[in-house]
Amino acid sequence: NAGVTQTPKFQVLKTGQSMTLQCAQDMNHNSMYWYRQDPGMGLRLIYYSASEGTTDKGEVPNGYNVSRLNKREFSLRLESAAPSQTSVYFCASSERSISSNSPLHFGNGTRLTVT
Amino acid sequence: KQEVTQIPAALSVPEGENLVLNCSFTDSAIYNLQWFRQDPGKGLTSLLLIQSSQREQTSGRLNASLDKSSGRSTLYIAASQPGDSATYLCAVHGNQFYFGTGTSLTVIP
Repeated sequence: NAGVTQTPKFQVLKTGQSMTLQCAQDMNHNSMYWYRQDPGMGLRLIYYSASEGTTDKGEVPNGYNVSRLNKREFSLRLESAAPSQTSVYFCASSERSISSNSPLHFGNGTRLTVT
Repeated sequence: KQEVTQIPAALSVPEGENLVLNCSFTDSAIYNLQWFRQDPGKGLTSLLLIQSSQREQTSGRLNASLDKSSGRSTLYIAASQPGDSATYLCAVHGNQFYFGTGTSLTVIP
């Protein structure tokens, strides 16, 4: 059981380049999330998808777009990368976004550097 | 907006000591609270989840408590080991998941 799988693990971009971070889960979860983690700031929600076919902005959505391709896959796209987007990106999933017994499961992260 | 605070930011203890990590939050309207462990360069591993109707959860040497009315949770680690060295984060599940910035724990052999 792979859980939540993210690709790539590492990426270096030049300012202005674009890329897509991929995420897939095999737990049949309804809800999926993208976070970024920066030193001293904790994890901040970029976008989430409460269920297949829906996406919503989180705390820091500017500069990003997402696609919930199907129930398993949730991708994050940077259209024109900026140095401020240098961060570690985590994908997570949960069975339901509104539930008292629905823990978050995380992927291993993508380390992105924008020069 | 929910604010989640973890104090202290860093903690260093000798092996074998019992310790308590703290998590506080400002809005008591939550579904659950989850404790995670994060090793350097790795993702987050779930340790315990406490539903809003529960007071505590236990897993091995770990015990997490929740006092929703006062906005506090604690993670108790018994008989600490060097392998427990990691960053511990709490996350509160309200309309979203809100994370603290974590406590970096070092257990000295």
